[in-house]
Amino acid sequence: ELKVEQNPLFLSMQEGKNYTIYCNYSTTSDRLYWYRQDPGKSLESLFVLLSNGAVKQEGRLMASLDTKARLSTLHITAAVHDLSATYFCAVEANFGNEKLTFGTGTRLTIIP
Amino acid sequence: DADVTQTPRNRITKTGKRIMLECSQTKGHDRMYWYRQDPGLGLRLIYYSFDVKDINKGEISDGYSVSRQAQAKFSLSLESAIPNQTALYFCATSDFRGVDTQYFGPGTRLTVL
Repeated sequence: ELKVEQNPLFLSMQEGKNYTIYCNYSTTSDRLYWYRQDPGKSLESLFVLLSNGAVKQEGRLMASLDTKARLSTLHITAAVHDLSATYFCAVEANFGNEKLTFGTGTRLTIIP
Repeated sequence: DADVTQTPRNRITKTGKRIMLECSQTKGHDRMYWYRQDPGLGLRLIYYSFDVKDINKGEISDGYSVSRQAQAKFSLSLESAIPNQTALYFCATSDFRGVDTQYFGPGTRLTVL
């Protein structure tokens, strides 16, 4: 059974600081996804990581994937208040299956 | 207009009642999914469908059933609702092109009293 763990579960950080959210998973995976959820809202796709060593960046967010370590990171650079949200990673264990197993989420709060 | 819509957006019902949540999409995707979100548990897959004739159980299908009426419509039913089915329910779609993500609807907040 695929298990996906995120840490930390809660993160409060000051504006302008850098931090990293970690996503570990238990079995071999072909793909990993990052989503953002604002309070009371739906999930918005941020990144799709398709191979070992994949790195994607959008604004102050950068995601990477190490399939050998079964680890993905979401790095936040110079955080701003607008990045406050809950971030989920999700893992697709079998290529083409598209059954996603989600982590429990990291609730990020950026403090001015 | 939103690509993935869900109705109702909010519903309060009583234990033992039958409830149907509906999902429609205009993205032309073949694959549709129903998830449940509970605080601290992330999203868990209830059922998924890869085409109209294909229905599969997910991680937590007990107490739920689904119907894929057309490519664009996928409904989730609670035959006899119970309080621990109180949750936020999301529908999602995807198109198997090798690189696509899942696109989520706005969610239905269901409360079972």
